[in-house]
Amino acid sequence: GIQVEQSPPDLILQEGANSTLRCNFSDSVNNLQWFHQNPWGQLINLFYIPSGTKQNGRLSATTVATERYSLLYISSSQTTDSGVYFCGRGFGNEKLTFGTGTRLTIIP
Amino acid sequence: EPEVTQTPSHQVTQMGQEVILRCVPISNHLYFYWYRQILGQKVEFLVSFYNNEISEKSEIFDDQFSVERPDGSNFTLKIRSTKLEDSAMYFCASSRDLGSPLHFGNGTRLTVT
Repeated sequence: GIQVEQSPPDLILQEGANSTLRCNFSDSVNNLQWFHQNPWGQLINLFYIPSGTKQNGRLSATTVATERYSLLYISSSQTTDSGVYFCGRGFGNEKLTFGTGTRLTIIP
Repeated sequence: EPEVTQTPSHQVTQMGQEVILRCVPISNHLYFYWYRQILGQKVEFLVSFYNNEISEKSEIFDDQFSVERPDGSNFTLKIRSTKLEDSAMYFCASSRDLGSPLHFGNGTRLTVT
């Protein structure tokens, strides 16, 4: 089946640090989304990024579809960035296949 | 900003009982979904719904599960005879078009005892 792998599985950083989260997928993509699951369990859509680069404040994302990966960058981390970051991949149909997530903990 | 709403936020039920989880998708969205997340695990696709019918379902979505859009706003997931392993967070989601950004509700935590 389609594999979506995320790395690292866990990341602990000091407030103010920068981080890069990676999502590798085993098959073609025309739908790639990044989500933040906050400590209350809510899933927040960060980016819809099947290709190219987007930025939203301190966050940016890049997808290189031909090389089957996507990166999420978080700069100047804040404690509110803590949670689990998931990527979801889709192609040709509606469903997203999610990765296993990266758990980010920001220490004050 | 429009959002997907789910009720109830928590549901505790006994094994073998039927449960109905309710969702109100964003009003101009055309595609509706149910996903679930077992505690500490990844988010798993259950079913997608478009034009008043199921468009895709996963292996998890067996005969015990059904979905319905009973009116112009609600979208429901029914589990006919719950099992212990159905305990999970169930998320409803909607998107405006095929392949457009997915918006999730806050989820219903289902506990089967």
